[in-house]
Amino acid sequence: GAGVSQTPSNKVTEKGKYVELRCDPISGHTALYWYRQSLGQGPEFLIYFQGTGAADDSGLPNDRFFAVRPEGSVSTLKIQRTERGDSAVYLCASSWTTNTEAFFGQGTRLTVV
Amino acid sequence: EDQVTQSPEALRLQEGESSSLNCSYTVSGLRGLFWYRQDPGKGPEFLFTLYSAGEEKEKERLKATLTKKESFLHITAPKPEDSATYLCAVQGSGAGSYQLTFGKGTKLSVIP
Repeated sequence: GAGVSQTPSNKVTEKGKYVELRCDPISGHTALYWYRQSLGQGPEFLIYFQGTGAADDSGLPNDRFFAVRPEGSVSTLKIQRTERGDSAVYLCASSWTTNTEAFFGQGTRLTVV
Repeated sequence: EDQVTQSPEALRLQEGESSSLNCSYTVSGLRGLFWYRQDPGKGPEFLFTLYSAGEEKEKERLKATLTKKESFLHITAPKPEDSATYLCAVQGSGAGSYQLTFGKGTKLSVIP
C-alpha cells in the first residue's frame, strides 16, 4: 500500500475486555515496530519484528500484551484484560531495514472505560 | 540508556518569524537522529535523518543540523501550516539498536 494502515482508528472498550489492533505495513518493508504514545509524550517502543519473528519484545509492559506477524506482513497487537492505564494511541511503523527511516501509521486511539 | 530532551516544550511564532527548536541527546553510538512532524490525531510524519556531526539537511522552510550533543531544527519564515508538534528521536548502536528513543516534542504554533 501507499502507507502504513492501522485499524481501527478508534477503539473504546470496557475494562477487562480483550482487544486486537491491526497494522498493515508498507509493501516490501521487512521491519515492523509498535510504539505507544500517551498524551503529551513522545512514542515509546513496544516490540520489533524482522520478518515473522519478534526480534525484540522488551518494551511490552507486561504479559497482557502480545503481538504477532504470522506471514511477515500484517501484524496484530493483542491486549488481554485491558486496564484504564492501557488507554493511549498505539502506533505502528515499518521500514525497509533497521538502518532506514521508519514510516508511521495514523495510530489507533484506545480508550478503556 | 539513550535519552532525548527537546526544548522549548511549546513555541508561538508570528508568521514570518524565524526560530529554532532544540534536541539534546545522549546515546551510546549514534546510528541516526530523526526529525518527525506530528499533526493532531495523526501519526508522526518523517522529515529528516542525520547521521554524523556537521551534517545538514533542508526541506522547504526547514533545516536540520547536528552536533555531537544536539540537533537543531531551524524554521525560516514559518507559515501557519507549519504549526504542529515536532519530534526528535535517536537510534543508538547499543542493545536494542533498532529502537527509536523519542523526546516529548515541541509544539509549534504559527500565528497569521
